[in-house]
Amino acid sequence: GAVVSQHPSRVICKSGTSVKIECRSLDFQATTMFWYRQFPKQSLMLMATSNEGSKATYEQGVEKDKFLINHASLTLSTLTVTSAHPEDSSFYICSAMRGPQPAYNEQFFGPGTRLTVL
Amino acid sequence: QKEVEQNSGPLSVPEGAIASLNCTYSDRVSQSFFWYRQYSGKSPELIMSIYSNGDKEDGRFTAQLNKASQYVSLLIRDSQPSDSATYLCAVMDSNYQLIWGAGTKLIIKP
Repeated sequence: GAVVSQHPSRVICKSGTSVKIECRSLDFQATTMFWYRQFPKQSLMLMATSNEGSKATYEQGVEKDKFLINHASLTLSTLTVTSAHPEDSSFYICSAMRGPQPAYNEQFFGPGTRLTVL
Repeated sequence: QKEVEQNSGPLSVPEGAIASLNCTYSDRVSQSFFWYRQYSGKSPELIMSIYSNGDKEDGRFTAQLNKASQYVSLLIRDSQPSDSATYLCAVMDSNYQLIWGAGTKLIIKP
């Protein structure tokens, strides 16, 4: 159990285009989903937290107009990178959490999406 | 500033031995603690969660928590080469976000 999928796993796009990444919890309902970014040999960096039906909460320094997050249901969240530029190239990973209570607050990670912007 | 500290390693352990990974945290009110394993180029995989003082065992893995000392550890028994990875300690804050350690690189030598 506790499987999270992400699609696509890899995307290469031209500068200026938009890219949408989907994150799905396959066998549980996730009240909260998180989006991270990770550069090579660096730690995970939290970009935003999203709750189903609510606007996402973005971390300081993350442009909400550039990284659009939609958490439309308890099993689906999407991240859209708008007008992507080469500096947006990174490994984007989502995670999902069933609830905030202990034993329900484990975060399960998707396999990640590797974005390359040419 | 909430912090989670780990020795970056690498920690080299012979195959079949016990690997011991340690982590300290600064926020005394933390209640939820996690160990993740991350292979190079892959996303983190949850190994253990622990919420109460003491030991929690799952197969070859044992997590230990000491809230008074603000210390959490992970023991891996009968280490295998496939256990070679970076192990991340994470502590949940009051906003349900994970505060991450920098990770310990573990190398199991055949």
